[in-house]
Parts: sequence; C-alpha cells; structure tokens
Amino acid sequence: DAGVTQSPTHLIKTRGQQVTLRCSPISGHKSVSWYQQVLGQGPQFIFQYYEKEERGRGNFPDRFSARQFPNYSSELNVNALLLGDSALYLCASSLAQRRTHEQYFGPGTRLTVT
Amino acid sequence: DAKTTQPPSMDCAEGRAANLPCNHSTISGNEYVYWYRQIHSQGPQYIIHGLKNNETNEMASLIITEDRKSSTLILPHATLRDTAVYYCIVEGTTSGTYKYIFGTGTRLKVLA
Repeated sequence: DAGVTQSPTHLIKTRGQQVTLRCSPISGHKSVSWYQQVLGQGPQFIFQYYEKEERGRGNFPDRFSARQFPNYSSELNVNALLLGDSALYLCASSLAQRRTHEQYFGPGTRLTVT
Repeated sequence: DAKTTQPPSMDCAEGRAANLPCNHSTISGNEYVYWYRQIHSQGPQYIIHGLKNNETNEMASLIITEDRKSSTLILPHATLRDTAVYYCIVEGTTSGTYKYIFGTGTRLKVLA
C-alpha cells in the first residue's frame, strides 16, 4: 500500500512569492494534518482537516491556508513568503479525527525561501 | 507550549535495551501519550501510544507511571537503525481539535 505522498520534494522560492504544497493521504484516511519543522526543532502543528472541513489551526499567520478535496487530498498554501518560512513541511494522515488513531507522516516538502 | 520534557540526547550500546524517559506532569486524565521517531529528516514514524496501561508492540514497550506524570519508551534490543530523534507527545486540545504538540525530542545514538 502507498503511504502518504507529498509533492514537490524540494522547492526554492523568493521572498514575497506564493507556494502551494500537495499531500495525498493513505487510501481510506479522511483526516490530514500539516506541520512545519524548522531545522533543529520538532514539528509544529499548522492545520488539521477532516471530511473536507478545517478542524484545527495552530499559531500561524493568515498567510497560511489549506484545503481538503473530495478525494481527501490536501493543499497547503503560503502567501507572501518570508525567509523564516524556510522549513520542512510535513503532511500526516489518519483514519479519523479520533485520538486513538495514530498519524502517518509523509516524507515532507523542503521549502527554501531566498 | 510543549507538554512534555525529554533529555536532549542519549547513547545506547547496540543489542542493549534503550530506555527513553519523558515527563508530562500536566497531562489530563483523558490525554494519550504518543511516541514517534524521526530518522534523518524523514517524516516522523509512529511507534506506540497509551493512556494508562503499559503497552507493547513489535517495535517497543511503553511504561506509564501510575500517576501518569511520566513514561518510558523501551526499545528492547537497540540496533544501529534505531538511531533517531524520539518524540514523546501528549496531545493538546483546542476547541475540540486534538493536535500533537511536539517538543524537541531525544536524540538517541546507538553505538556499535
């Protein structure tokens, strides 16, 4: 079975530009979460989507937005990029929103903002 | 606002048990403890989780103290491939949403 897939693998953008990152969850998983991981730190929660609705948001500015599609795939959008947005962006899927379901992480998209 | 504290690094000899501690003194009665590991900037990998009772699976054992304020992840026979950053996570709840709050983890180095 395919795991969580993310695209692109690497991305280089310039300050002020916009970026879209994509995530395909494991088949049958309806919940997708996004995390930002800056070098040397643990992942930081950005968003959770379940059944195409936003169910949670972390402490990130409005420049960050996301959506989930009918096939449960998801996109993370970041506008007006800053140097500090350089990070590994991780997507995780789970069967449901319930706490007893573990999350499965994708390999991430490494974003570099210059 | 991480809810867990872990030692920043640990070493373990190959073939020996690795015992990774975690403090979560503010845990609520219905919050689970999860353990994940991350190998060299790959996505974190689920290991195990528990609420009150000790848990064991094919990867590891999780020992949770009776007061639930701390736990220990045990890798019974560590191998070089177990070298990774190990995260102990207690979920946070905001407006009904359960989210993982990662700390900085423990960097485990398994030595040959």
